[in-house]
Amino acid sequence: QVQLKESGPGLVQPSQTLSLTCTVSGFSLTSNSVSWVRQPPGKGLEWMGAIWSGGSTDYNSALKSRLSISRDTSKSQVFLKMNSLQTEDTAIYFCTRSSKFDYWGQGVMVTVSS
Amino acid sequence: DIQMTQSPSFLSASVGDRVTINCKASQNINKYLNWYQQKLGEAPKLLIYNTNNLQTGIPSRFSGSGSGTDYTLTISSLQPEDVATYFCLQHSSRPRTFGSGTKLEIK
Repeated sequence: QVQLKESGPGLVQPSQTLSLTCTVSGFSLTSNSVSWVRQPPGKGLEWMGAIWSGGSTDYNSALKSRLSISRDTSKSQVFLKMNSLQTEDTAIYFCTRSSKFDYWGQGVMVTVSS
Repeated sequence: DIQMTQSPSFLSASVGDRVTINCKASQNINKYLNWYQQKLGEAPKLLIYNTNNLQTGIPSRFSGSGSGTDYTLTISSLQPEDVATYFCLQHSSRPRTFGSGTKLEIK
């Protein structure tokens, strides 16, 4: 069945770089897009960006200067890297199959703090 | 960017009530509108896709309608397990944008 699972550090220091991995199963990254979405504590959801089935990427303009999304199709993994983290980047980070936005990972809580 | 205005932000209703939640887009999104349920500490669950298509496994008391800029999620008979936050997502254009959420509780 379709599954997505996020992994990465729970704590990142201010100004540092966040690196997250989304490992997928049950579908092919060459036939489906995957997006990253985040949710600050007690707040709404923000679409961060996506990697499309052909490998091209698209980013939310608010984050574009700091964000990079890539993938390794042989490992069924999608990666997020975001630099210059600040406390307002504290959030739960989700990956989702964005061909239909139907399946989501459980999310990983990332806290930005010294 | 398309703004999604969701209302109400909070809703309290009794078991068995008919409940409606609305999302209004700042421009025509051509029915590319999904509805999600999110319970505390869980991932969002897709309820309705492309305005009115019930996702597999979702109870038939959930339905969606709308067109153009105005969309509605309806729960025909509220059940205790429906306590959650509901939000909409437009996937008509980039960047994808979400409604701010409706917190639903049982009276």
